[in-house]
Amino acid sequence: GAVVSQHPSWVICKSGTSVKIECRSLDFQATTMFWYRQFPKQSLMLMATSNEGSKATYEQGVEKDKFLINHASLTLSTLTVTSAHPEDSSFYICSATGPREGDEQFFGPGTRLTVL
Amino acid sequence: AQSVTQPDIHITVSEGASLELRCNYSYGATPYLFWYVQSPGQGLQLLLKYFSGDTLVQGIKGFEAEFKRSQSSFNLRKPSVHWSDAAEYFCAVGTSMNTGFQKLVFGTGTRLLVSP
Repeated sequence: GAVVSQHPSWVICKSGTSVKIECRSLDFQATTMFWYRQFPKQSLMLMATSNEGSKATYEQGVEKDKFLINHASLTLSTLTVTSAHPEDSSFYICSATGPREGDEQFFGPGTRLTVL
Repeated sequence: AQSVTQPDIHITVSEGASLELRCNYSYGATPYLFWYVQSPGQGLQLLLKYFSGDTLVQGIKGFEAEFKRSQSSFNLRKPSVHWSDAAEYFCAVGTSMNTGFQKLVFGTGTRLLVSP
């Protein structure tokens, strides 16, 4: 199956700082990428959908200015958590799919964000 | 709005015993249904999916699932569990986006523990 990586795998930052998380499709062109958030012992919640070269579509209740998503190329999408606060601490997961992947989403291993 | 319920937070099964993980969904149209497995440090992996046709779906690693429209269920089964099956399992319902891809709504997951 196709491989999706995320970097970093974990990050600790101070409150008020910004953190950037990268999501890369390693062996296929990802025309669409998804960003999820997972709280402990809870489900994955879709935050936004991004298509290469266009603005991301955010789910209801997700702050666009807080979670900046850029999908500048067919292999890279970034999620920037701006002015992070402790309540932003969570597990962030990306997935990617492309026109040759038969609709299947391939998931990254996730990034654990802890805001102190 | 679509939703997915996984009533069992965690299940313990003896190695070699059979397994059934429950999943109920709520969706107004014909659902696209998925089962994913999440292991620590790894991305979610697709076990199987149902779009249409035969209601008994075969997946990877010896898993199968049966779609029962009358019960709004899509339970995951395996006849003989291996210790390596210990992981978190997520059921998801997909809704088509205008891009043609699926937007996934996940259940809260079931943690499978395998005892010797």
